This record gives sequence, structure tokens and C-alpha cells, in this order.
Amino acid sequence: DTEVTQTPKHLVMGMTNKKSLKCEQHMGHRAMYWYKQKAKKPPELMFVYSYEKLSINESVPSRFSPECPNSSLLNLHLHALQPEDSALYLCASSQIRDTAYEQYFGPGTRLTVT
Amino acid sequence: DQQVKQNSPSLSVQEGRISILNCDYTNSMFDYFLWYKKYPAEGPTFLISISSIKDKNEDGRFTVFLNKSAKHLSLHIVPSQPGDSAVYFCAASVQAGTALIFGKGTTLSVSS
Repeated sequence: DTEVTQTPKHLVMGMTNKKSLKCEQHMGHRAMYWYKQKAKKPPELMFVYSYEKLSINESVPSRFSPECPNSSLLNLHLHALQPEDSALYLCASSQIRDTAYEQYFGPGTRLTVT
Repeated sequence: DQQVKQNSPSLSVQEGRISILNCDYTNSMFDYFLWYKKYPAEGPTFLISISSIKDKNEDGRFTVFLNKSAKHLSLHIVPSQPGDSAVYFCAASVQAGTALIFGKGTTLSVSS
């Protein structure tokens, strides 16, 4: 099983809403990632979790709050977002090894903030 | 400043011919390079990779070449098939378990 799943596929939320994005993998990967991709731009890293602990936060605003409840799940909690946060949010996972560069991506959640 | 550049936004090739996608980078600390393929409404799919200590890696119809002195890599697809039509992203990393730095992508169209 090389699949990373993400729910929901699409999400529309107002600036005062609280919502969560979910990501799941069953490949036994112990590193999980959140990327953000704006239209016509490449994906950009937001967070990395290694062994369920936050290891990298790329100076992401606090209105984005990641959570890794177990080795298979990764959440991204959203609160008080701005319209410019509208984007495709991609989850990825990888093994943890010095040579494990390959990251495997889910299909993404298309987020629209109104 | 873009560290990974794909200067051709699009490429059109006939079925059966070779597709060559190019990528340049500026950061000499990059240790590993990857190519991803992306269909609409799907996430990027890992295709092939190469370590900075190698100059070529081959997997079936796909070959990646790395020229470290020129800070350039290319993906060759031979023979090209209509199902190869997608956006191809070049990516690079300085260390496993950290960010993949992506180029802006090249849209490949293979006509039959």
C-alpha cells in the first residue's frame, strides 16, 4: 500500500470558522509533511513531523496548527484564516533514513477561504 | 529567489519520440534530486530520483541525468506515450526528512 489519503477533497470556510484537514498513511512511514501549493506555484513546505514530534515549522502563522496523534495520522487545524490562505494543501510521508529522500504525496485538499 | 528552475512551462512531443525535460538549480548543497509527475486533481507522484554522487539513473522508459558542474539535470522519457501527458516537477533536497524544493513544473503533452 503506497497510498496517502486526505480528507476532505474540497473545503470552503469563512474567516471565522474552525476546520481540520486530515491525512492518513499505512506505509509505516515515521515522517509526515504538510505542504501548501498556490495556483501556478510549486508546493512549499509548512511542517514536518518525525516520530510524531514536530521537527520543522517553516515560520507558518499560528492560525495553522498541526497535530500528529499517532504514526499514521496527521491533522492540520485551521482557525481565523484569511482569503490569501486559499490553496491546495498537500500531505506527504516518507521513511526516516539518511537515504530516504522520496516523499509520497496525497491528492490534496483544495481550500477556499471566503 | 528560486533555487530550482524549470524554464520551459510546456513541451509538446509526438508519441514514440523522446521527451526531454530540463531543470537547473542554484544551491550547491542539494544532495538528492527527484522528479514527480502530477495529473489534475491528484497529488504529485514520485517518478525517479538521483543522488548527487551519480550522473545517471535509469528506470524503464525514464532516465535522469545529472551534471553537477553545470547544476543541471534532465529527465528523458523514451518512447513517449500519451499517458505520459502531465505536469512534471523537478525537486531537490539537502537532507532526507526535510523540505523538497520544487521547480514550477513543465506541462508535457504527448500526441498520438
